[in-house]
Order: sequence, then C-alpha cells, then structure tokens
Amino acid sequence: AQKVTQTQTSISVMEKTTVTMDCVYETQDSSYFLFWYKQTASGEIVFLIRQDSYKKENATVGHYSLNFQKPKSSIGLIITATQIEDSAVYFCAMRYYGGSGNKLIFGTGTLLSVKP
Amino acid sequence: AQTIHQWPVAEIKAVGSPLSLGCTIKGKSSPNLYWYWQATGGTLQQLFYSITVGQVESVVQLNLSASRPKDDQFILSTEKLLLSHSGFYLCAWSLNWGVAETLYFGSGTRLTVL
Repeated sequence: AQKVTQTQTSISVMEKTTVTMDCVYETQDSSYFLFWYKQTASGEIVFLIRQDSYKKENATVGHYSLNFQKPKSSIGLIITATQIEDSAVYFCAMRYYGGSGNKLIFGTGTLLSVKP
Repeated sequence: AQTIHQWPVAEIKAVGSPLSLGCTIKGKSSPNLYWYWQATGGTLQQLFYSITVGQVESVVQLNLSASRPKDDQFILSTEKLLLSHSGFYLCAWSLNWGVAETLYFGSGTRLTVL
C-alpha cells in the first residue's frame, strides 16, 4: 500500500538557520511524484517544491531544496536561512496512480516554529 | 493566471442540516478538480475528483456527494450533516489529468457541525 510518513511532529529553530524535515514513503510504483506543501496559520495550502522519482538531481526552489534518497524511500525538505514567516505546518505528499484514478496522499505534517 | 475561489469561508451548521460548499476556477478551461477534507490537526484526505463537467469520481465518500455543474465549478454537498463532517474542506485543481500533475489548493472552508 502507498503511504507517506512524517515522524517529526514539531520542530523549533532560530531564525536564519537551516532546518531539515524528514519524510519517508512507501510505494510499489516505479514512477511516482513527491511534493512538499506548506499550510499557513490561515489554513491555506501552498505548493512549495516537487521531486519526480526518475530525476536524480535534487530539486531546488528559492530557499527550499530536497534531499531525495531513493534507495531509502526518503524525501527530506531543507529550508535554508529560515524566516519567521516560514513558521507553518509542512506536509509531504506523494502522487501515484491508484487504480481508480490518480491520487495525492499526504503525511501527517510537521509543525515548524521559527523563533527570532 | 489561474485563481481558485472557495465559498463560504466558514460555516456553522446543525447536525442533520444540509450543506453545500463550492469552488470556482478562473483562468483555466477544463481544469481537473478535487475535494479534500482535513480534520482539525490532521492530514488531508482526498474525497472526490472530476476530470470534466458532469463527471465526478469518489475516493472516500464520508456521506458526502460532489457535482460539477459547470466547467469551472465544483460543488460538495450533503443532505444531512454529521458531527464527523466538521473540519476544513479544500478544493484543488490541476492543469491536466496525469499522475505527474501538481495540485494547487484554494483557501478552504472551515465547517463546524454542532
């Protein structure tokens, strides 16, 4: 069965430091797509970055980057030079073909608190 | 640029009452549309998706139904609300119907059932 697991419930860091959030996934598919989303205090879900399973290079967008370790089924999110406004819940997600249609499943989220 | 608008922003409803939530996508013809539900403090769970007008597929029903009456509109409804329906409902869209597509979410509707 397909599954996404985020074991870190919450992380607290000081502003301007680097933080890594962990995510492991389970899938039998040879091709799959991994995403990170951010949920702000208002509830808005914002797409941040994605990694296609067939790509070896780690994706980078702005101060977000990914640590994709395919043999370990791991896709970590790295945020460099954190800012107060990065405080949010971060969700890891995986998109796959679920037989009856394409599905996007989410992990349970990691609450990031960035302190001044 | 595509914009997604959800309504209402929040609802407080009584158990057993009907519900209708909606979302509208502007700037993209024939988008793929999705409904997600999030319990308070929980993860997001896909409920329905629609590839085209008049066609809706259920992923997890939760005693809810969905319809797509127009190309740019997706409706989530039920005739009788349950306490378990409380939570945050999010509409999402993608450009195409493919497993590689990125989903983009609306701002959500917060539902409280009393």
